[in-house]
Amino acid sequence: DIVMTQSPDSLAVSLGERATINCRSSQSVFYSGNNNNYLAWYQQKPGQPPKLLIFWASTRESGVPDRFSGSGSGTHFILTINSLQAEDVAVYYCQQYYSIPITFGQGTRLEIK
Amino acid sequence: EVQLLQSGGGLVQPGGSLRLSCIGSGYDFSKYGMTWVRQAPGKGLEWVSHITSGGYTTDYGDSVEGRFTISRDNSKNTLYLQMNNLRVEDTARYYCAKGGGYSTGYGPDAFDFWGQGTSVTVSS
Repeated sequence: DIVMTQSPDSLAVSLGERATINCRSSQSVFYSGNNNNYLAWYQQKPGQPPKLLIFWASTRESGVPDRFSGSGSGTHFILTINSLQAEDVAVYYCQQYYSIPITFGQGTRLEIK
Repeated sequence: EVQLLQSGGGLVQPGGSLRLSCIGSGYDFSKYGMTWVRQAPGKGLEWVSHITSGGYTTDYGDSVEGRFTISRDNSKNTLYLQMNNLRVEDTARYYCAKGGGYSTGYGPDAFDFWGQGTSVTVSS
């Protein structure tokens, strides 16, 4: 199984500042056949289901604000939230869909400082 | 508008059974794989099971293999999760989720739409 590890577990960032969340996989999730990383990011607000933000490690889902961006390749990935807004308070998860079983990171709780 | 409407769930004793349902609308249900993901109270996300678009291939997490069965009826746009021999540790909110089509072939996928979830509590 591919183990996904996020860091930090929680962070507090001031409004308007940048938040950075890391995700590492225990093995590469890059598929050379199509040059894609099988890595997604989700946002989950209290009482709501997760919402897809990023797929293929760096492609924003339709309707996601461009202050959200994903980067990285292989085993190390980063979710960056620029100009943090109050509505960005949530738990963020990375997920690999390279192989079964699908696995998620443990989540990173983002709060306002 | 894509919607996933969930039903089923509730309180059941250990060893009991439940069936969850998830009705998809607003898209061609038969063209996308579907997945169940659960979230124990205060915990993170755990993938439970996946079924391909035609229903011919299914996969399960180790913790539910042999006890849960995923199925779908494309004529009814409905996904099911039959849960047998339930354990206290199966207590969680269960979400159905639609594959986004970002996989290779019929492989695992990222999920672009999720149901609101249904609560399952296993307790004596």
